[in-house]
Amino acid sequence: DQQVKQNSPSLSVQEGRISILNCDYTNSMFDYFLWYKKYPAEGPTFLISISSIKDKNEDGRFTVFLNKSAKHLSLHIVPSQPGDSAVYFCAASAGTGANNLFFGTGTRLTVIP
Amino acid sequence: GAVVSQHPSRVICKSGTSVKIECRSLDFQATTMFWYRQFPKQSLMLMATSNEGSKATYEQGVEKDKFLINHASLTLSTLTVTSAHPEDSSFYICSASQLAGGDTQYFGPGTRLTVL
Repeated sequence: DQQVKQNSPSLSVQEGRISILNCDYTNSMFDYFLWYKKYPAEGPTFLISISSIKDKNEDGRFTVFLNKSAKHLSLHIVPSQPGDSAVYFCAASAGTGANNLFFGTGTRLTVIP
Repeated sequence: GAVVSQHPSRVICKSGTSVKIECRSLDFQATTMFWYRQFPKQSLMLMATSNEGSKATYEQGVEKDKFLINHASLTLSTLTVTSAHPEDSSFYICSASQLAGGDTQYFGPGTRLTVL
């Protein structure tokens, strides 16, 4: 039972444009959400997180939006750069912090120069 | 800061042998470490959570006698795949959290296990 879903396995975006990666979840107990970036044969690298008390968190070019009523979050990258090309995982947890993360299946982002 | 290493990065072994994978937090003390495995084109699946000095908590469906986890210090956790079989071939990733019950998990680079 996949509690965190990323329905788009891949996304291609032109350099300089906005990349929007989407994530849906089913467990209403989730209250902490994270995005990780992963290159092939490497472990995920933490990008940005958001707690359920917020609906937006911004860090440089990365912004995460949370819509609790829709159980949906998205990661916006603007402007997109070729170095952003990677697989992006959405993750969620219930309770304080980032323990027991449930991951989505990932979206492969390709930024075209 | 918050660097996690794994060793080895890649291992090939014969069926029936045991393989040990080390996970180290290099610049912080990790009260909690996690072990995940990832099959091709699938998400990371949590295998077990370990706290320093205590027994690991395994997720449903993960055989604790097959995947032995030891978290003997605040900077080291090991995963031993015992009597490995080809279906154990996977990408194993550890992560570490600085505070129990809180804080972001920092991931190691992963270990690619291939069982012949």
